[in-house]
Amino acid sequence: DGGITQSPKYLFRKEGQNVTLSCEQNLNHDAMYWYRQDPGQGLRLIYYSQIVNDFQKGDIAEGYSVSREKKESFPLTVTSAQKNPTAFYLCASSISGNSNQPQHFGDGTRLSIL
Amino acid sequence: AQSVAQPEDQVNVAEGNPLTVKCTYSVSGNPYLFWYVQYPNRGLQFLLKYITGDNLVKGSYGFEAEFNKSQTSFHLKKPSALVSDSALYFCAVRDGAGTYKYIFGTGTRLKVLA
Repeated sequence: DGGITQSPKYLFRKEGQNVTLSCEQNLNHDAMYWYRQDPGQGLRLIYYSQIVNDFQKGDIAEGYSVSREKKESFPLTVTSAQKNPTAFYLCASSISGNSNQPQHFGDGTRLSIL
Repeated sequence: AQSVAQPEDQVNVAEGNPLTVKCTYSVSGNPYLFWYVQYPNRGLQFLLKYITGDNLVKGSYGFEAEFNKSQTSFHLKKPSALVSDSALYFCAVRDGAGTYKYIFGTGTRLKVLA
């Protein structure tokens, strides 16, 4: 079955540590997205990528970084500069950046501070 | 600027009764509108979308939504609620004028009481 796989499901970060969240899709989608979900705040866009080797900052990019070296993969690094990283992180994809089609979501990674 | 409002944090309904989850939006061009459902510790699942055409859109699991351009609303409805419908529901909008971002509401928790 086609879909989006996020790993790990749970992740713990120590002070001063960078951590990387994995997102892989086998839907052959061009566009990929990272969102942060906090209780009562909905989904906030961190970064998005419309095509391989290209990505743009979303609304809350500070303290995060991404890469898009392969169509299937869009890893997110939470750096030590992100002072409040505890949240549920969701990766999504869509057919293309300007499509009217819905996004497909992974099952998320829950990041906590040790 | 694009925005989505879900005015109710929680909606309670008795099993077998009709349910409505409200959503209003603001976009500069023609809207692409979506509803998603999220179960605990899972990603978002697509329910239905409005792009153009008939104002009443039918989706998965017996859900439907009514697009009202004059009231800029896209309320989610179901004629007869099930306990298994209890979840978090998100409305999302995308500006059909060409932006690449989806804007999500803050979510409405639906509780169906047996």
